[in-house]
Amino acid sequence: DAGVTQSPTHLIKTRGQHVTLRCSPISGHKSVSWYQQVLGQGPQFIFQYYEKEERGRGNFPDRFSARQFPNYSSELNVNALLLGDSALYLCASSPEEYYGYTFGSGTRLTVV
Amino acid sequence: ELKVEQNPLFLSMQEGKNYTIYCNYSTTSDRLYWYRQDPGKSLESLFVLLSNGAVKQEGRLMASLDTKARLSTLHITAAVHDLSATYFCALGGSNYKLTFGKGTLLTVNP
Repeated sequence: DAGVTQSPTHLIKTRGQHVTLRCSPISGHKSVSWYQQVLGQGPQFIFQYYEKEERGRGNFPDRFSARQFPNYSSELNVNALLLGDSALYLCASSPEEYYGYTFGSGTRLTVV
Repeated sequence: ELKVEQNPLFLSMQEGKNYTIYCNYSTTSDRLYWYRQDPGKSLESLFVLLSNGAVKQEGRLMASLDTKARLSTLHITAAVHDLSATYFCALGGSNYKLTFGKGTLLTVNP
């Protein structure tokens, strides 16, 4: 079975640009969460979606938004990129709202 | 604000030795997770601890949870080089998110 897949794996953007990151959860998993991991730190929660509804939002500015599609895949959008947005963005899926989370390999975003 | 503190943050061990990583947290929760992360890689789930007194073991790693003390431990027995990685504990909250500690960078030396 395929695990959590994220795309792209790496990308470089310029300050002020917009970026869209994509995540496909494990088949049958209805919950998708997004985390930002800055180098040398633990992951920080951004969003959680369950059954296409936003169930949780972390302490991130409104430049960050996300959505979940009917097939449970998800997109994370970041507008007006700042240098500080450079990080590894991780997607995690779970079969229910509370349960073990399986993480994808992440998208490494570099903002220059 | 929920806080999760791990210590030590850096741990250098010799092969064959035992050691424990500690994870303290500031509020009650019914879910405590341990993850492993290799350099440049994603997070690999190691353990999910769901109740007070829970103990789980996998190979040379054993995790335990004391909800009264708000403490989880990850014990490493007879360390081998392959265990070198960063280990994170994370607390599950009622608002669906995981709150992670800063991680413990473990290096196992021959």
